[in-house]
Amino acid sequence: ETGVTQTPRHLVMGMTNKKSLKCEQHLGHNAMYWYKQSAKKPLELMFVYSLEERVENNSVPSRFSPECPNSSHLFLHLHTLQPEDSALYLCASSQETHLSYNEQFFGPGTRLTVL
Amino acid sequence: KNQVEQSPQSLIILEGKNCTLQCNYTVSPFSNLRWYKQDTGRGPVSLTIMTFSENTKSNGRYTATLDADTKQSSLHITASQLSDSASYICVVSRTTSGTYKYIFGTGTRLKVLA
Repeated sequence: ETGVTQTPRHLVMGMTNKKSLKCEQHLGHNAMYWYKQSAKKPLELMFVYSLEERVENNSVPSRFSPECPNSSHLFLHLHTLQPEDSALYLCASSQETHLSYNEQFFGPGTRLTVL
Repeated sequence: KNQVEQSPQSLIILEGKNCTLQCNYTVSPFSNLRWYKQDTGRGPVSLTIMTFSENTKSNGRYTATLDADTKQSSLHITASQLSDSASYICVVSRTTSGTYKYIFGTGTRLKVLA
C-alpha cells in the first residue's frame, strides 16, 4: 500500500444528499491533494493543501468543499452534486509542494456515483 | 498550450511480449517527467522519474526514455506479465516562480492476455 487511505471506496448518492470523502496519510507529508478522474480524461487537480493551508483551488464548483484539519487528514464535503460529478476521486500526498522531485503518493480513490 | 498526449489509447498484447508506450508533451518550462502505473480500482503508483539531463531510467522490466529535444518519452515493458495489465499515465511537471504544476496525460490502457 502507498500509505494513503481513502474512505469510503464506493459511494452512491442522490443530488440532494450531503456526504463527505475522507483521506488519511501515514507518511508524515506536508502537502495533500484532491483529484478528479473521469473516464478518458486526464486527472484534474481540484485542491492543494500545504501545512493545512489551501494553496490552490482550480475553479472547482462550490458544491465541493475541502477541509484539512491537520496535515494527516483531508476531507471533501459534497452537497447538491450533479450526475456529471460522478467520477473517481483521488487523494494524494507529498513531502512538500515545491520540491523538484516531488513524488505524489495516491490513495485508492473513492468511486462516486451521483443519481 | 501545456499538453501531454499519450499513444496508443489502448493496447492488447500476449503475455511474454514486449511493448512500448509513447508520450509527447508541449510543456514549458520543463522540470521532470514521470510515468505512473494505475491498476484498476487503485490510485497511480510512480514507476520512474526523469529530469532534463536523463535519457533513460529503468525500474525492473520497465524502462523509460526521454528525448528533451523532441519532447518525447517512451515506456518500454519487457517480457510482459498478466500483472502489467493497467493504465500507464505520463505526467510532466513544469515550474513557474518556484512552484510546480503537473500536466497529466490521459493514459494508455494495457491489457496482457495469457
